[in-house]
Amino acid sequence: GAGVSQSPRYKVAKRGQDVALRCDPISGHVSLFWYQQALGQGPEFLTYFQNEAQLDKSGLPSDRFFAERPEGSVSTLKIQRTQQEDSAVYLCASSLDGLAGGQETQYFGPGTRLLVL
Amino acid sequence: QKEVEQDPGPLSVPEGAIVSLNCTYSNSAFQYFMWYRQYSRKGPELLMYTYSSGNKEDGRFTAQVDKSSKYISLFIRDSQPSDSATYLCAMTLTGGGNKLTFGTGTQLKVEL
Repeated sequence: GAGVSQSPRYKVAKRGQDVALRCDPISGHVSLFWYQQALGQGPEFLTYFQNEAQLDKSGLPSDRFFAERPEGSVSTLKIQRTQQEDSAVYLCASSLDGLAGGQETQYFGPGTRLLVL
Repeated sequence: QKEVEQDPGPLSVPEGAIVSLNCTYSNSAFQYFMWYRQYSRKGPELLMYTYSSGNKEDGRFTAQVDKSSKYISLFIRDSQPSDSATYLCAMTLTGGGNKLTFGTGTQLKVEL
């Protein structure tokens, strides 16, 4: 079946522009995560949704970052007034059921590579 | 200091070699331990996961967790050129949909 998809795959923005990154999780997956991966680094957690509820946004680096998942499926990560330090790969992951016991596998999309000039 | 430390490499080995990758961590509350493989310009994919201490084997891959030392390892036997990728360790505080804390990743190249 289809995996997690993200769009656009590449985005070049001028400093100060707003950008919106889209994530389509695996159908039926309850949990959705956003991670930021800087060059040569591991992914770092940004935020987590269970259905439409944003349960954890502790990793968002500033109030310029905003995420939503209004219908509990597709999610959008928005970055306002982009800065050069926002340049990174933004990864989305989904898992079946955040409430189940044991570790649910997170399935990652290919990421959106953002370059801020 | 990061919660999870991992040598970034790069690590270069000949085909057929045994590869040892490892991570150390500082938070004793981590309970689930995972290894992800990430090919260039792709998202990470789960290879192995282990709950608490112990070993787990899957084909050519063996994952080990030593909670007393806060040390985890991934062994790859009979390494192949297709194993060339970045290997990320990751861990979570609790089960069930919690956020992953990743290491830096180790870049591995298996040469013919």
